[in-house]
Amino acid sequence: EDQVTQSPEALRLQEGESSSLNCSYTVSGLRGLFWYRQDPGKGPEFLFTLYSAGEEKEKERLKATLTKKESFLHITAPKPEDSATYLCAVDSWGKLQFGAGTQVVVTP
Amino acid sequence: GAVVSQHPSRVICKSGTSVKIECRSLDFQATTMFWYRQFPKQSLMLMATSNEGSKATYEQGVEKDKFLINHASLTLSTLTVTSAHPEDSSFYICSAKDRTGGTKIVSSYNEQFFGPGTRLTVL
Repeated sequence: EDQVTQSPEALRLQEGESSSLNCSYTVSGLRGLFWYRQDPGKGPEFLFTLYSAGEEKEKERLKATLTKKESFLHITAPKPEDSATYLCAVDSWGKLQFGAGTQVVVTP
Repeated sequence: GAVVSQHPSRVICKSGTSVKIECRSLDFQATTMFWYRQFPKQSLMLMATSNEGSKATYEQGVEKDKFLINHASLTLSTLTVTSAHPEDSSFYICSAKDRTGGTKIVSSYNEQFFGPGTRLTVL
């Protein structure tokens, strides 16, 4: 059975304090791993898609990496506006299966 | 680009009534749209997959007679919650997948773009 597990559940950071979020997965035939950002009361906002082990993508202070078993979302020198829930999802036969998310709070 | 809208953003209804939620892809054509439900502090759970011009495919445990889905065009899908009850109160989110070889906006046909969600409260 396909599974997506995110850790930690919650992360509290000081502004400028870099950290990483983990997404481990087991899926039969990965067609893509996705990272989304979700603010309270809003729909997920697309961040990255990764397709193969070794792939990396960057956007501003965020960098996503992928191995055969897990993906990391690195947040470098975060700012308070980076506070959100970060969701990881895998494409399983054309459908997205989401992890439970990591709630990130960045304090000034 | 790749904008998906939902209407209404928030709805409150009485138990037993039906509620229709619209999902539109504004700047691209979507052959496939998805409907999700999200309860507080939980992640998104897929309810059904909607393909333009054909019947929706529902996930296990989702009542197709209660959650009616219509995907009449390449830019519009609707979800109707029939005879809503308090336990149907949730955050409903749609997403749309760009057609293969579609707009320049998306880099991959696998990407799903999400609407802003509809908060349903059933009294």
